[in-house]
Amino acid sequence: LAKTTQPISMDSYEGQEVNITCSHNNIATNDYITWYQQFPSQGPRFIIQGYKTKVTNEVASLFIPADRKSSTLSLPRVSLSDTAVYYCLVGDINQAGTALIFGKGTTLSVSS
Amino acid sequence: SAVISQKPSRDICQRGTSLTIQCQVDSQVTMMFWYRQQPGQSLTLIATANQGSEATYESGFVIDKFPISRPNLTFSTLTVSNMSPEDSSIYLCSVPVSSYNEQFFGPGTRLTVL
Repeated sequence: LAKTTQPISMDSYEGQEVNITCSHNNIATNDYITWYQQFPSQGPRFIIQGYKTKVTNEVASLFIPADRKSSTLSLPRVSLSDTAVYYCLVGDINQAGTALIFGKGTTLSVSS
Repeated sequence: SAVISQKPSRDICQRGTSLTIQCQVDSQVTMMFWYRQQPGQSLTLIATANQGSEATYESGFVIDKFPISRPNLTFSTLTVSNMSPEDSSIYLCSVPVSSYNEQFFGPGTRLTVL
């Protein structure tokens, strides 16, 4: 069973900031939070990973509150090319085979 | 990152036949993972392929249906045996990059079973 819950879909317009929240109430002490992006007919692509507080890279930011029971992926100024499915995963980065349980994901649709 | 290729990229097969999917990585990796993504669905982990040992299958997947080979550290195959239309899916292989949560996925093999 997936250990995460996300909204099924979200809509946005070009240039807006999009925040996708993921719930993971039963996150374990050693679990990290990882987000993937998947375009149609392609494999998922790693976006960002974090353990607590805030992580930022060239693509997105990841906000994790102190209790770590949720996390928010923030995509600044989205474009049409950000239309994709976004998956939130939690797992122990050192436990091979147990980490990659994909939930249903969030389908983000960006319009002009 | 890693460069992963899969063959074939797509195939249309008749029920009752078998198809072997190849996954080639441009660097040596200890573990490789095989996933299935049914139409409109999320990804489901089929098995973990370790070099030199038998693959570890997830609940609901068995070796007789999805035999896996891992002859070396850069290559693996997944066979879908005795196929039925319900096996129509995209099959993807992946490898861990810097951590097991960060995985690099191949382009996938789109299988249609008639």
